[in-house]
Amino acid sequence: GENVEQHPSTLSVQEGDSAVIKCTYSDSASNYFPWYKQELGKRPQLIIDIRSNVGEKKDQRIAVTLNKTAKHFSLHITETQPEDSAVYFCAASSAASSASKIIFGSGTRLSIRP
Amino acid sequence: GAVVSQHPSRVICKSGTSVKIECRSLDFQATTMFWYRQFPKKSLMLMATSNEGSKATYEQGVEKDKFLINHASLTLSTLTVTSAHPEDSSFYICSAPRWRSGSENEQFFGPGTRLTVL
Repeated sequence: GENVEQHPSTLSVQEGDSAVIKCTYSDSASNYFPWYKQELGKRPQLIIDIRSNVGEKKDQRIAVTLNKTAKHFSLHITETQPEDSAVYFCAASSAASSASKIIFGSGTRLSIRP
Repeated sequence: GAVVSQHPSRVICKSGTSVKIECRSLDFQATTMFWYRQFPKKSLMLMATSNEGSKATYEQGVEKDKFLINHASLTLSTLTVTSAHPEDSSFYICSAPRWRSGSENEQFFGPGTRLTVL
């Protein structure tokens, strides 16, 4: 089955600097890669996703890149703000059908230093 | 966006009792739902895939007789933790994918249920 590895487990950056979180996946059939932000005690919230037919996607301060050959994908947050502090999860799924399960990475706890 | 609800949001029970958690898709039909478990400071671990009208599919290492799943309608899946023990204390989250044309498969998560077993 799919295995998603994520690093770093914790990340502390100065407000205004950029943060990068990296993930790898094992199943070459995976073609949908969502990123989630989770605050304490809350449900995961989708912040951006990318599909295997593109290499990069950007939404304001957030961007995701995908290297299908290497099975790597990364989240980039620029101009970080205090409200970016949370736990971030990468995930992978095969979006071949509506029944495709999503496998999560281990998570990165991002702290933004004022 | 689509809405998924869970009930209850919190439950405290005694060891040995059973607890039922409901997951509902409020504005769309979900033939499939997923149940996750999340321990403190850990990731979401997929427990099982709930299939409407058929048996659930459990992930390796998840006891199907302990975590009973029923998906009797297109908008409701239930997870029953039977004979709960303190080690079952966790945050249980369901999700439901909404299938749309264009091969999109966005998952909508419920707000989670915090189970504490004394």
